[in-house]
Amino acid sequence: NAGVTQTPKFQVLKTGQSMTLQCAQDMNHEYMSWYRQDPGMGLRLIHYSVGAGITDQGEVPNGYNVSRSTTEDFPLRLLSAAPSQTSVYFCASTPPTAGGYNEQFFGPGTRLTVL
Amino acid sequence: GDSVTQMEGPVTLSEEAFLTINCTYTATGYPSLFWYVQYPGEGLQLLLKATKADDKGSNKGFEATYRKETTSFHLEKGSVQVSDSAVYFCALSDRLGGKLIFGQGTELSVKP
Repeated sequence: NAGVTQTPKFQVLKTGQSMTLQCAQDMNHEYMSWYRQDPGMGLRLIHYSVGAGITDQGEVPNGYNVSRSTTEDFPLRLLSAAPSQTSVYFCASTPPTAGGYNEQFFGPGTRLTVL
Repeated sequence: GDSVTQMEGPVTLSEEAFLTINCTYTATGYPSLFWYVQYPGEGLQLLLKATKADDKGSNKGFEATYRKETTSFHLEKGSVQVSDSAVYFCALSDRLGGKLIFGQGTELSVKP
């Protein structure tokens, strides 16, 4: 298994540009999430999905869109990039069980700089 | 809302020293608690977890006990190594496990 993969690893955008960060997992996990990591703030949840066709907002959803058309893929779209979106983005997936409490598996991250 | 607070870093220790990283939480209900570790340039990896009060999670010499009475989940290791240098995150999850709430992270640097 490749686990959770993310592309690209690095990206530089200009303010106002749009782009999609890709995330895929081959573990047949239902739950997937996007986080951003900023210095001194830990990781903050952007959006998450409990299964194909179902998404919901996390703590910091503004400026980002997601969709979940398949179990494997969970892309994150930046509609109009802003310097405040400069961050490291992590995708994660987790298998559900009765009662939850499962480990989340993280991808290697995408480092995004918005000029 | 739910939250996690960790001791601020960076923490610098000599090899074989004792490590404690404090973590306290605020949550409704009965969350699960986790410690994740991030090595330089990598994503996060689960280090250990505890799912109910008084549970002790352990892995690679690290331990943490879920203390409901003090709402704490402090990370400890008896003898750190240079290879333990990383950023450590305390986190709690909602009942479904799909959402994690993280502390701000504590950077650990271990010197030979």
